[in-house]
Amino acid sequence: RKEVEQDPGPFNVPEGATVAFNCTYSNSASQSFFWYRQDCRKEPKLLMSVYSSGNEDGRFTAQLNRASQYISLLIRDSKLSDSATYLCVVTRGNNDMRFGAGTRLTVKP
Amino acid sequence: GAVVSQHPSRVICKSGTSVKIECRSLDFQATTMFWYRQFPKQSLMLMATSNEGSKATYEQGVEKDKFLINHASLTLSTLTVTSAHPEDSSFYICSAPGTGNYGYTFGSGTRLTVV
Repeated sequence: RKEVEQDPGPFNVPEGATVAFNCTYSNSASQSFFWYRQDCRKEPKLLMSVYSSGNEDGRFTAQLNRASQYISLLIRDSKLSDSATYLCVVTRGNNDMRFGAGTRLTVKP
Repeated sequence: GAVVSQHPSRVICKSGTSVKIECRSLDFQATTMFWYRQFPKQSLMLMATSNEGSKATYEQGVEKDKFLINHASLTLSTLTVTSAHPEDSSFYICSAPGTGNYGYTFGSGTRLTVV
């Protein structure tokens, strides 16, 4: 079983749609959680950190459920520029990151 | 913010040759650098962790004699792919830990093509 699992998609949605991505992790000792965005052939860029209390940044909302070892990302009012691969990232105690395989999102006009 | 400069961004080399990839932390000291490899349509896979002044820690299945990692200073970590083969063609990227909840800083990646 992979340490971090994501639905690879692709998710094809129209502009303005709301889309949700899920991620599960297997290591209960995982300490920090992030969502990164990766455009084709580019380095990943931090989208947001994920907290148990949930956090929101504009159209993006992230949630962490430690009991279920589950992370989510909600994107509201999708824009064309949101098209990318979204990576769920979990860190271990020694600080190294483990990546999910990514979920591909395409927002269409 | 923290910046990691990675070079080269793209390299094409012949089979059997060696290629060195550099990652420099420009405005902070990176005592740790993570090296990842990403094949097309796949996730980033951690290859090894380098620590300044000590030997790198390699993930299972990664040949340490083939992928030489050096972290000689607090601002420079290098990955050398030795005796490269076409199957080594991939996207290699480094990352250094950030602080607090700001995640990690990535280099811009190196696309290696071995012909």
